[in-house]
Amino acid sequence: GAVVSQHPSRVICKSGTSVKIECRSLDFQATTMFWYRQFPKQSLMLMATSNEGSKATYEQGVEKDKFLINHASLTLSTLTVTSAHPEDSSFYICSARFAGEWGRETQYFGPGTRLLVL
Amino acid sequence: AQSVTQLDSHVSVSEGTPVLLRCNYSSSYSPSLFWYVQHPNKGLQLLLKYTSAATLVKGINGFEAEFKKSETSFHLTKPSAHMSDAAEYFCVVSALNTDKLIFGTGTRLQVFP
Repeated sequence: GAVVSQHPSRVICKSGTSVKIECRSLDFQATTMFWYRQFPKQSLMLMATSNEGSKATYEQGVEKDKFLINHASLTLSTLTVTSAHPEDSSFYICSARFAGEWGRETQYFGPGTRLLVL
Repeated sequence: AQSVTQLDSHVSVSEGTPVLLRCNYSSSYSPSLFWYVQHPNKGLQLLLKYTSAATLVKGINGFEAEFKKSETSFHLTKPSAHMSDAAEYFCVVSALNTDKLIFGTGTRLQVFP
């Protein structure tokens, strides 16, 4: 089956530092990857859509300079939280969609990265 | 705009009894609907999806869901709960002409021995 990995699984950092989270599709090529944020006991909120080789599309209210997304290859997208602050602490989840898959809507999710900013 | 409403934030059942997790959708077109499960510290896993084929959709682990247009519902069921089914379940709709998935607020399923 389609496997998506994320690294790291959890990270603790000091306020003001930047953190990079990687999302990889392990056994398929993903033209599109998505980044979500999930607060405790809440649902997933889409942050941005990342297409390989082009700029990410951010959802309303998401600061693109704060959350830098790079999708340099068909198997890797990265999310960098710049100058992280305690309010950025959250569970970040990526997903990926098959390139050219019929029934394009299906997304395959990574296990998530828990970020704690002190 | 498309949306989904999960009617119960928590559902508790005894092992071996049926499971019903309720979801209503709002859409101006025939939607694609999904159920995902999230176990603690694990990624979301696709249970099943409806994409305008058969209205009764069978998924993994014995789950199934029925698309009822007249009721705008897509409830998830399982005849007999297992302890391993305890998790958070999300009803999801695909937004029209976009790649976006819109998540419901989730239902936490507890299974008691």
